[in-house]
Amino acid sequence: ETGVTQSPTHLIKTRGQQVTLRCSSQSGHNTVSWYQQALGQGPQFIFQYYREEENGRGNFPPRFSGLQFPNYSSELNVNALELDDSALYLCASSSNGYNEQFFGPGTRLTVL
Amino acid sequence: AQTVTQSQPEMSVQEAETVTLSCTYDTSENNYYLFWYKQPPSRQMILVIRQEAYKQQNATENRFSVNFQKAAKSFSLKISDSQLGDTAMYFCAYYTGTASKLTFGTGTRLQVTL
Repeated sequence: ETGVTQSPTHLIKTRGQQVTLRCSSQSGHNTVSWYQQALGQGPQFIFQYYREEENGRGNFPPRFSGLQFPNYSSELNVNALELDDSALYLCASSSNGYNEQFFGPGTRLTVL
Repeated sequence: AQTVTQSQPEMSVQEAETVTLSCTYDTSENNYYLFWYKQPPSRQMILVIRQEAYKQQNATENRFSVNFQKAAKSFSLKISDSQLGDTAMYFCAYYTGTASKLTFGTGTRLQVTL
């Protein structure tokens, strides 16, 4: 059984650019959630996707958007990057109706 | 809104000793779940233990156990026989189906020493 994978591992962008982060969910899971973890903080919920539809969103601006594909993999897109977007971005997958979420290793985004 | 508070930013324990990490939460919900996650320097968030709010019995997983006090909204993690591999950030998290998200505390950095 393959766990949750994320790519890339690290990424450096400049302010104003756009970035796409990718996540492959664990086998058998149809729900993907994205979290932002700033340095020294706990993860903050960005949004969740279930069967290709957004299923809940945290307090993040519209320039944070996502997508889920028929194979349940997911993308997180961030437009007009700001310095404060520098963080570890975590993806977690789960089966709908079940609360246990399994996390990927994260993507470290640095915005200069 | 639900909040999770971890009041111990850092803790240290000697190998083979027992340590307890504290967590309190605030919610108006009656049905919810609580979790402890471990995040080692490798960054991967690993589930340590989970507790369903409707269950009175405290969850245990090998050396890890919780003390769940629903009325007090308290959910502490006890690690027995601490091992060097337990060194990590520990996050308490709350989940309710109505929000479909995990709400995390700010974490406790645990250092296990020889």
